[in-house]
Amino acid sequence: LAKTTQPISMDSYEGQEVNITCSHNNIATNDYITWYQQFPSQGPRFIIQGYKTKVTNEVASLFIPADRKSSTLSLPRVSLSDTAVYYCLVGDLYGNNRLAFGKGNQVVVIP
Amino acid sequence: DTEVTQTPKHLVMGMTNKKSLKCEQHMGHRAMYWYKQKAKKPPELMFVYSYEKLSINESVPSRFSPECPNSSLLNLHLHALQPEDSALYLCASSPIRGGTGELFFGEGSRLTVL
Repeated sequence: LAKTTQPISMDSYEGQEVNITCSHNNIATNDYITWYQQFPSQGPRFIIQGYKTKVTNEVASLFIPADRKSSTLSLPRVSLSDTAVYYCLVGDLYGNNRLAFGKGNQVVVIP
Repeated sequence: DTEVTQTPKHLVMGMTNKKSLKCEQHMGHRAMYWYKQKAKKPPELMFVYSYEKLSINESVPSRFSPECPNSSLLNLHLHALQPEDSALYLCASSPIRGGTGELFFGEGSRLTVL
C-alpha cells in the first residue's frame, strides 16, 4: 500500500487560498488519490479524487504532477467552516479495500 | 438516500457488558467497513465486508465481533472490552464497482468503556 505523508498542521486566514500537500512516493499504477475532510466527532467526508493532472469540482481542486509522487489539494477562499482535518488516501479504487488513512493535516482558518 | 446511519450515537459500557453497534445504509453498496478512531488520531481500519462476507480483519482482538446479516446492515458486537477500547467507531460503505469508490461514513458511535 502506498504510504502518505502530510504536514501535521497549518493555519490560514479567512478568504485565502489554502494548498495542502501530500507525498506518496510509492504510488502504484492502479492507485487513485482521494481526499477526505473530517470535522470533530463526525465521519470523514469525500472531497475530491484524481489520477493525474488536475481535477476540479465545486469545492476544491486537486493537482497531481506527472510522476504522481505527490498531490496538492487546493481550497479556494477558505472560511471558518473549513477548519478541519484533511486526509489524503492512495489506493486502487476497487481491487483493494484496505484504504488506510495517514495522519492528516489539521487546517485552522483564522478570522 | 446517501446516508450511513449508526446507532447508538453514544454508548457507555462496563468491561463485563455485552453490547452492539449498528450501521445501516440503503445505497446498494456491497462493501462495508468498521473503523476505530481515537482522539486526535486518524481512523484505523478494523474490518471490511465485501458482498456480506468478511474480507479483511486487521488483526482486531476477538472481543470485537463483526456481523453483516444482509447487504444493508453491519453490526459490531462488543464483549469484555477494555478502557483503552474507548473511541469513536465509524462505519462506512462504498460501491464495489462504478463511480469513485468513495467511502460514505456515518457520524460514528462514541464508545466509553468504564
